[in-house]
Amino acid sequence: QVQLVQSGAEVKKPGASVKVSCKASGYTFTGYYLHWVRQAPGQGLEWMGRINPNSGGTNYAQKFQGRVTMTRDTSISTAYMELSRLRSDDTAVYYCARSRSGMDVWGQGTTVTVSS
Amino acid sequence: QAGLTQPPSVSKGLRQTATLTCTGNSNNVGNQGAAWLQQHQGHPPKLLSYRNNNRPSGISERFSASRSGNTASLTITGLQPEDEADYYCSAWDSSLSVVFGGGTKLTVL
Repeated sequence: QVQLVQSGAEVKKPGASVKVSCKASGYTFTGYYLHWVRQAPGQGLEWMGRINPNSGGTNYAQKFQGRVTMTRDTSISTAYMELSRLRSDDTAVYYCARSRSGMDVWGQGTTVTVSS
Repeated sequence: QAGLTQPPSVSKGLRQTATLTCTGNSNNVGNQGAAWLQQHQGHPPKLLSYRNNNRPSGISERFSASRSGNTASLTITGLQPEDEADYYCSAWDSSLSVVFGGGTKLTVL
C-alpha cells in the first residue's frame, strides 16, 4: 500500500542540526511532490517547503530560508529534511506528505525536541 | 506571507450540519482554490478535499467543499461523534508556497 515512513524521534541541543527522513513505498516516488509540514505542541500546521523528487528542485517557506535543506535519494525512494541552528521553538512534530493536487498521503510524524 | 483565516472553534449538535470557513486572498484561495484536512488528536492530518470539491477515494459524501471568491467552505452534514476533530484549510500561494489556516476545532455536542 501507499505509505510514507519517517525516521524516529530526535532530541537535539540548541544550535545543532537535525535530519529527518521519509521513505516512500507503494507508488512512483518521482511522480509526486514531497512536502514537509511541522506542528508545534498544541499549535496548527506550518508549511516548511517541498521538493520535486524527479528534478530535486525545491521551494522553501520564507521563514526557513537559509536554515532548511530538502534533498532526496531516488535510488531508495527517500526524501530528507535537514534543519540547522535549532532553537527551542523548533520543538515540533515534523511530517512529510506527498501531493499532486492535495496532500493525500502523510507520514506518521517525527518528534523533534530541542532542549539544553 | 499571511496565513488563511479560520474561526478557532465551531460547535454543533449530533446529526446537524456544520459549515467551516477559510478566508484567503486572490493569490491563494481565490486563485487555486483550497484543500481541507481533518486531524484527530495524536494523528497525522487526513485529506478530505482538494481544489475546492474533489474528494479522495474513501472520503464520505457527508464532506463537501466549495469556494466563493476568496473564501472556501467545508460543509459536514449529519454530524457524527467521530467528526469531532481539528480542521485545516490550505492553499497554494502565488509566492510559490503553501499557506495553512490556523485550524478550526469542531465540537459535536
